[in-house]
Amino acid sequence: GENVEQHPSTLSVQEGDSAVIKCTYSDSASNYFPWYKQELGKRPQLIIDIRSNVGEKKDQRIAVTLNKTAKHFSLHITETQPEDSAVYFCAASPSGYSTLTFGKGTMLLVSP
Amino acid sequence: DVKVTQSSRYLVKRTGEKVFLECVQDMDHENMFWYRQDPGLGLRLIYFSYDVKMKEKGDIPEGYSVSREKKERFSLILESASTNQTSMYLCASSFAVGERSYEQYFGPGTRLTVT
Repeated sequence: GENVEQHPSTLSVQEGDSAVIKCTYSDSASNYFPWYKQELGKRPQLIIDIRSNVGEKKDQRIAVTLNKTAKHFSLHITETQPEDSAVYFCAASPSGYSTLTFGKGTMLLVSP
Repeated sequence: DVKVTQSSRYLVKRTGEKVFLECVQDMDHENMFWYRQDPGLGLRLIYFSYDVKMKEKGDIPEGYSVSREKKERFSLILESASTNQTSMYLCASSFAVGERSYEQYFGPGTRLTVT
């Protein structure tokens, strides 16, 4: 089955800096890669996703890049703000299934 | 607005008890999922359902069963609760169009403690 590795497990940045979280996946047939943000005590919510026919996608301060050859994808957050502090999960969906395999999460702390 | 609700936010049960966790979604989603979330382990899929009365095992189904009698409701059952099932349980739902994956909408979670 699919295996998703996520790094780093924790990330501390100063407000205004950029943050990058990286994930690798094992199943070359995976074709959907969402990122979820979970604030303390809240439910996970989708912040951005990308499909395998696209190399990069942006939404304001966040962007995701996908390298199918290397089987890795990354989340980029620019101009970080304290409200970006949360746990971020990457996930991958094998082709032919609607399930997701999640990474173990990255706790991002943005200090003012 | 999509709404996924779970029957309890906090639950305390004794070892050996039968436990029911219920999830309801109001978006007519075909797919429903049960995950458990543990620190450092992320979200792990227990079971999912792609239609009424249909169920598929996820990555960690041992000790759990599920029921989906109506499209909007998906129940997770712990037949005989054990202390290693103490965890946060999250329900989710999503559309299904062919075999493509779509955004999963999560419920608020149920913090289950088994003593």
